[in-house]
Amino acid sequence: KAGVTQTPRYLIKTRGQQVTLSCSPISGHRSVSWYQQTPGQGLQFLFEYFSETQRNKGNFPGRFSGRQFSNSRSEMNVSTLELGDSALYLCASSGGTASSYNSPLHFGNGTRLTVT
Amino acid sequence: QKEVEQDPGPLSVPEGAIVSLNCTYSNSAFQYFMWYRQYSRKGPELLMYTYSSGNKEDGRFTAQVDKSSKYISLFIRDSQPSDSATYLCAMRAGNMLTFGGGTRLMVKP
Repeated sequence: KAGVTQTPRYLIKTRGQQVTLSCSPISGHRSVSWYQQTPGQGLQFLFEYFSETQRNKGNFPGRFSGRQFSNSRSEMNVSTLELGDSALYLCASSGGTASSYNSPLHFGNGTRLTVT
Repeated sequence: QKEVEQDPGPLSVPEGAIVSLNCTYSNSAFQYFMWYRQYSRKGPELLMYTYSSGNKEDGRFTAQVDKSSKYISLFIRDSQPSDSATYLCAMRAGNMLTFGGGTRLMVKP
């Protein structure tokens, strides 16, 4: 079974630009979560989608948004980039159901975003 | 105080040693416990997934959960240089998943 695939692997953007990151979950997984990872803050939860609906949201500003398509693929968008948005953005999928959270997350290798 | 505490290390051990990695937590509602391994420039890889208290073994890895003490451990037997990575614990209560900050492990040949 193919794992979680994230594209692109690396991105360099300038302040004020916007960026879109893509994630393809493991086949059959309907839950997709996004995390930001930095050396100082560790893994911070952005949001989770299940069957095209945002199910949970972390404590990030509205510049961070996402969506999920009918095939479970997900995209994350960051608008008006700031230097502090430089991080590894990780996508994870899980095989949980609509009413449960008892399946573990499986992560992709992330997109390394550098904002200059 | 963080909900999940994990010593950042680095922890340096010789090849073949038994490694003990630990996390403590404060939220008694945590029910599912996970350990992830993360190599540099890679995403976290799921190593162990356990529910409630007890031990679970998978090859050289043993996960231990002590809910009464709010303490979880990951033991690595016969450690190898390829085990050098950052190890993250994670715990779930309902829709809330909380990660530790990670422990960096270095296994020296």
